[in-house]
Amino acid sequence: EPEVTQTPSHQVTQMGQEVILRCVPISNHLYFYWYRQILGQKVEFLVSFYNNEISEKSEIFDDQFSVERPDGSNFTLKIRSTKLEDSAMYFCASRSAGLGYTFGSGTRLTVV
Amino acid sequence: KQEVTQIPAALSVPEGENLVLNCSFTDSAIYNLQWFRQDPGKGLTSLLLIQSSQREQTSGRLNASLDKSSGRSTLYIAASQPGDSATYLCAVNTNAGKSTFGDGTTLTVKP
Repeated sequence: EPEVTQTPSHQVTQMGQEVILRCVPISNHLYFYWYRQILGQKVEFLVSFYNNEISEKSEIFDDQFSVERPDGSNFTLKIRSTKLEDSAMYFCASRSAGLGYTFGSGTRLTVV
Repeated sequence: KQEVTQIPAALSVPEGENLVLNCSFTDSAIYNLQWFRQDPGKGLTSLLLIQSSQREQTSGRLNASLDKSSGRSTLYIAASQPGDSATYLCAVNTNAGKSTFGDGTTLTVKP
């Protein structure tokens, strides 16, 4: 069964550093998403991406965040200057039109 | 703003019991609704997807219903097993693709 692949599974970074979280969505999917889940809290929407542009973003997704689809397969989330409160599990998801989401296994980001 | 509530927050049942998890949402203008399972420290596994025009979906021992007008969905698990122990999340999706998740119901099935 096709999977959404996320790397790395766990990343530790120092406060103020830039991090890039990587995702390989399912190949024939057209819609891509990033979500995050702070430990013990709800899964929260960050951003949706379609046709090479952001289609919707939440209030969490401020100027410190950016997304990119640099080639035909990867979808990345960049956090420019990490803060302690950015520590969370970050999930990438993709879907095809009319279908549900397929989520990756997540990247656990720890900011120290 | 869409809000999703799941009741109960936690549920503990003996193996073999049938059970119902509840999800309610405030804005009925949804595109579809999806139930997920999350094991501790893991990702989200999709269980069932119900389109806004559908009333229910079934997969094995799982049955999900949707009443869009009243803003409710239920997930029915038949003949529960210890392997069903996990957190079950309800997500309501808009046409634009934004998902709003509930807090989840943490299920423990005791052998």
